[in-house]
Amino acid sequence: AQSVAQPEDQVNVAEGNPLTVKCTYSVSGNPYLFWYVQYPNRGLQFLLKYITGDNLVKGSYGFEAEFNKSQTSFHLKKPSALVSDSALYFCAVRDRTGTASKLTFGTGTRLQVTL
Amino acid sequence: GAGVSQTPSNKVTEKGKYVELRCDPISGHTALYWYRQSLGQGPEFLIYFQGTGAADDSGLPNDRFFAVRPEGSVSTLKIQRTERGDSAVYLCASSLRAFSSLSGPSYNEQFFGPGTRLTVL
Repeated sequence: AQSVAQPEDQVNVAEGNPLTVKCTYSVSGNPYLFWYVQYPNRGLQFLLKYITGDNLVKGSYGFEAEFNKSQTSFHLKKPSALVSDSALYFCAVRDRTGTASKLTFGTGTRLQVTL
Repeated sequence: GAGVSQTPSNKVTEKGKYVELRCDPISGHTALYWYRQSLGQGPEFLIYFQGTGAADDSGLPNDRFFAVRPEGSVSTLKIQRTERGDSAVYLCASSLRAFSSLSGPSYNEQFFGPGTRLTVL
């Protein structure tokens, strides 16, 4: 069974500082990994994905994520946080073996960026 | 272009009633997914369609839940004899092909609709 852990319920960052939102995963084979963001009263928006190749993946709004196979992690990062980045962030994993197409999500991390 | 749409945006019903939730995916997306998101949790998989058929319904909690996609586009999630524990936000997502018999699972990202908030009183 596949699973995702987001160990922090909330991350607080001052605007202009770098941010990291942590994610670790467990799958039986090699993973497809995704980050989504959820703003209040809006649906999940896709940020970025890791498929293969470079371990550093760049996505929307200046976000990037680093895949680390040995640590089974896929942490979300941004060099300089904005107040408008404040939202709920979800990491998700999909097993690339078999026929399973469902995403398994973590419980989410609330990012709060303050002035 | 238009994204995934879901109707209604909010549904309040009484315990024991029947409800239908509708999802209209992005045009051209053959894969459609239903998830359920409870307060403070991440979305949990319910069912996935590839075309008209349910390719994986392993996430449906019990036989009160059923979903159809008769023409391979719009999908309806149906809940019979609703219970208070069914209260949640029901999310629909669509993507390009999810799986190929030749190349296996694809990595196409899923695009989510705004959800239907179901409240069972």
